[in-house]
Amino acid sequence: AQSVTQLDSQVPVFEEAPVELRCNYSSSVSVYLFWYVQYPNQGLQLLLKYLSGSTLVESINGFEAEFNKSQTSFHLRKPSVHISDTAEYFCAVSDPTSGTYKYIFGTGTRLKVLA
Amino acid sequence: DTEVTQTPKHLVMGMTNKKSLKCEQHMGHRAMYWYKQKAKKPPELMFVYSYEKLSINESVPSRFSPECPNSSLLNLHLHALQPEDSALYLCASSQERRETETQYFGPGTRLLVL
Repeated sequence: AQSVTQLDSQVPVFEEAPVELRCNYSSSVSVYLFWYVQYPNQGLQLLLKYLSGSTLVESINGFEAEFNKSQTSFHLRKPSVHISDTAEYFCAVSDPTSGTYKYIFGTGTRLKVLA
Repeated sequence: DTEVTQTPKHLVMGMTNKKSLKCEQHMGHRAMYWYKQKAKKPPELMFVYSYEKLSINESVPSRFSPECPNSSLLNLHLHALQPEDSALYLCASSQERRETETQYFGPGTRLLVL
């Protein structure tokens, strides 16, 4: 069964510094990959997703993620973070071969941006 | 309109109470989901409805009873809950029940069972 690993439970970073949030998934079969963000006391919002095509996907608020099939990774990066980026970030995988149409979520990474 | 609304925002109930959570979307989505999220954990899928029919029940205890009265509405009926059921309950919807679909989440109902 597919699984998702987010190794960093918390990432503190200073404002305007770059950040990378790591996501690895277990299987090298074709998967669809998502990054969701959850601000305090809110639901989840899609940041970006990879379905096919270019391995580098970008969001409208400056985040990007690169799909690396050989390393089964989908790390999220931002070159310069803002205080408002403080949130919980979840990586999710959807496996079309499973027949379940479900997301498998990672355990989340709490990004704390410091002034 | 890409909004999923959930009511109530907060709910406190005793173990003998019956209550319901409500979720609504007007995006024309045909798949709707209930998730349970404990503090500092990822969401756990509970139920999936596709075209108003229950398609996935993740072995959820019968004290949780979902209902999809129409394509825009999703309810979760609660009865005889336990304190360990206290959590954030999230509703989500997607255009279809497909692996490529983005799920749109509501803000959640924070439930406390006493």
